[in-house]
Amino acid sequence: DAMVIQNPRYQVTQFGKPVTLSCSQTLNHNVMYWYQQKSSQAPKLLFHYYDKDFNNEADTPDNFQSRRPNTSFCFLDIRSPGLGDAAMYLCATSRGQESTDTQYFGPGTRLTVL
Amino acid sequence: GQNIDQPTEMTATEGAIVQINCTYQTSGFNGLFWYQQHAGEAPTFLSYNVLDGLEEKGRFSSFLSRSKGYSYLLLKELQMKDSASYLCAVMDSNYQLIWGAGTKLIIKP
Repeated sequence: DAMVIQNPRYQVTQFGKPVTLSCSQTLNHNVMYWYQQKSSQAPKLLFHYYDKDFNNEADTPDNFQSRRPNTSFCFLDIRSPGLGDAAMYLCATSRGQESTDTQYFGPGTRLTVL
Repeated sequence: GQNIDQPTEMTATEGAIVQINCTYQTSGFNGLFWYQQHAGEAPTFLSYNVLDGLEEKGRFSSFLSRSKGYSYLLLKELQMKDSASYLCAVMDSNYQLIWGAGTKLIIKP
């Protein structure tokens, strides 16, 4: 089945210790997104890639970086996680960015910062 | 600024009908999406409306009024598995999704 896969599902890191979250997709979609979602809040868009074209949201902290080495994979790097970065990180993909291009989400990675 | 409003929490009874409302103010409009999100899981797509009116999909229906900046999600014949958060999201003029915080729906037997 075509899908969006995120690893790991649960990640624990120490305060200030770099961590990388990964996302892969078998949908062959052009666009990949990273969202941060805290409890009972709306997902907050961090970045998105249209193919290799990187788009950083204006309010995304510099502590967050992203890489998309090929169509299938996208990584989220948190250089120095703080306690406030504990959240669910959602990867999503869409065929394009037209209004009819639905975003499909992976299962998410829940990040805990100790 | 851009804003999506939906109730924080609703409670309904198994077998009943519930309507979850969403109002929006965005810079432009390219469609409205409803997603379902179970606790600790990712959102899953439910519906998309871009024209005024009602879209029916099984037990779920979604309505849109662009002139009023208003949508609702109607869930019929509620089942316990429908207990989840329901997120309303609007695609703005830049084709970015603006998300509401979600409505937590609690189903009681």
